[in-house]
Amino acid sequence: QQQVKQSPQSLIVQKGGISIINCAYENTAFDYFPWYQQFPGKGPALLIAIRPDVSEKKEGRFTISFNKSAKQFSLHIMDSQPGDSATYFCAASISSGSARQLTFGSGTQLTVLP
Amino acid sequence: DAGITQSPRHKVTETGTPVTLRCHQTENHRYMYWYRQDPGHGLRLIHYSYGVKDTDKGEVSDGYSVSRSKTEDFLLTLESATSSQTSVYFCAISEGRVYEQYFGPGTRLTVT
Repeated sequence: QQQVKQSPQSLIVQKGGISIINCAYENTAFDYFPWYQQFPGKGPALLIAIRPDVSEKKEGRFTISFNKSAKQFSLHIMDSQPGDSATYFCAASISSGSARQLTFGSGTQLTVLP
Repeated sequence: DAGITQSPRHKVTETGTPVTLRCHQTENHRYMYWYRQDPGHGLRLIHYSYGVKDTDKGEVSDGYSVSRSKTEDFLLTLESATSSQTSVYFCAISEGRVYEQYFGPGTRLTVT
């Protein structure tokens, strides 16, 4: 049972281009939507996160767009760089009660060509 | 990097043998998590702990058990390893905000 669906599975972008990764969810109890970045051989690291009452959050070249009515959110990487090449995971959290959990999407392997 | 270590980092074991993976933190965070990472599945929660001796099951808990006798240590045990448990296992910690988790370097487990 995958509660967070992520696409595409892989993405190749030219340096300077825009990378866009999409996620969709079903459970309206989710209360935070983070994105994690993982480099080969490393554990994932939190990149940026958004609450469902906010439509957009920007941190540097990374932007989350959130559409609550469609139950969708996306990560935009502006001016993509080869150093951004990594696997990106969207996720959704439940923060209350006994079910304090983070549910991850299946991941997107991003390659930025020089 | 958050003070999280995992041991061993690599292990090869045979089907049917017991295996214990250890996660150690120096951050004094309350919550600790065990995930497995497999291609096409992202990270899936196995078990988590919300305090010493307080644990709960995650999405893929069958075949796994955990223990937390000290704040800093969270053990994951495969009682009788199977080939389907070949995976990369990550430990994570958090304090307060569930969405903000810090991950360890991972343990690559191969069950032959």
